[in-house]
Amino acid sequence: QKEVEQDPGPLSVPEGAIVSLNCTYSNSAFQYFMWYRQYSRKGPELLMYTYSSGNKEDGRFTAQVDKSSKYISLFIRDSQPSDSATYLCAPRGVDSSYKLIFGSGTRLLVRP
Amino acid sequence: DARVTQTPRHKVTEMGQEVTMRCQPILGHNTVFWYRQTMMQGLELLAYFRNRAPLDDSGMPKDRFSAEMPDATLATLKIQPSEPRDSAVYFCASRSGTSYEQYFGPGTRLTVT
Repeated sequence: QKEVEQDPGPLSVPEGAIVSLNCTYSNSAFQYFMWYRQYSRKGPELLMYTYSSGNKEDGRFTAQVDKSSKYISLFIRDSQPSDSATYLCAPRGVDSSYKLIFGSGTRLLVRP
Repeated sequence: DARVTQTPRHKVTEMGQEVTMRCQPILGHNTVFWYRQTMMQGLELLAYFRNRAPLDDSGMPKDRFSAEMPDATLATLKIQPSEPRDSAVYFCASRSGTSYEQYFGPGTRLTVT
C-alpha cells in the first residue's frame, strides 16, 4: 500500500462548479500537508499547505485535513478553465529530511 | 525572479548511452531534490542533498544512476547506461533550510529508444 493514495481522475467539471479533490494517507505522524498544482509540461508549484487538522482558505481554494480519518481534501470554488491541471497532495515526512511524500495526482479539467 | 533551472529541457538518446542532466538551484537554497515522474509511478524521489552532501539516494537504481553536487550552484544526475525504462520527466527542486516549500524546475523530458 502506498503511503499516499489519490484518485488519478481525470475529473471533468463545467466552469463555475465546486471541485473536491481528495487524498488518503497511512502515516498518522504526518503533520504538514501540501497541495501542489502542476500544469501540463511544467514543474509542480505549491498551491497551499495546512498544519495538522482543520481548514485553511486562500481565495477560491480551501484545504481541509481530517487526521482522525487520515483524509486530505482540496476544494475549489467557482472553478475556472485556468484551474485545469494536475493536483498533487504531499504530506511532509516526519524525519529530519522534511521530504514530501507525493500522491500520484488528480487531473482536473474545467470545461468553459 | 528566482527560479530553478534545468538543462537540457528535452533529451532523446539511444539505449546504452550516457545521459547527464543538470540543475541550478535557487541561490541560497541549501537542499536539492531529484525526482522522476512517470504516468505509472507518479512523482518519485530519487535523491536529495543538503549543503551539497548526499543524504538519501535510496530511491535511485545505484547500478546506473549517480547524483552529485559539485558546487552550491550545480547538481547533476547521470544515467549510464541508459535504458528505455528510464524514459520519464526528471525534476530538480530546491528548498531553503527547513522551509516547507520546495521549488521545482521545469524538468528534463528524457526519451530512451
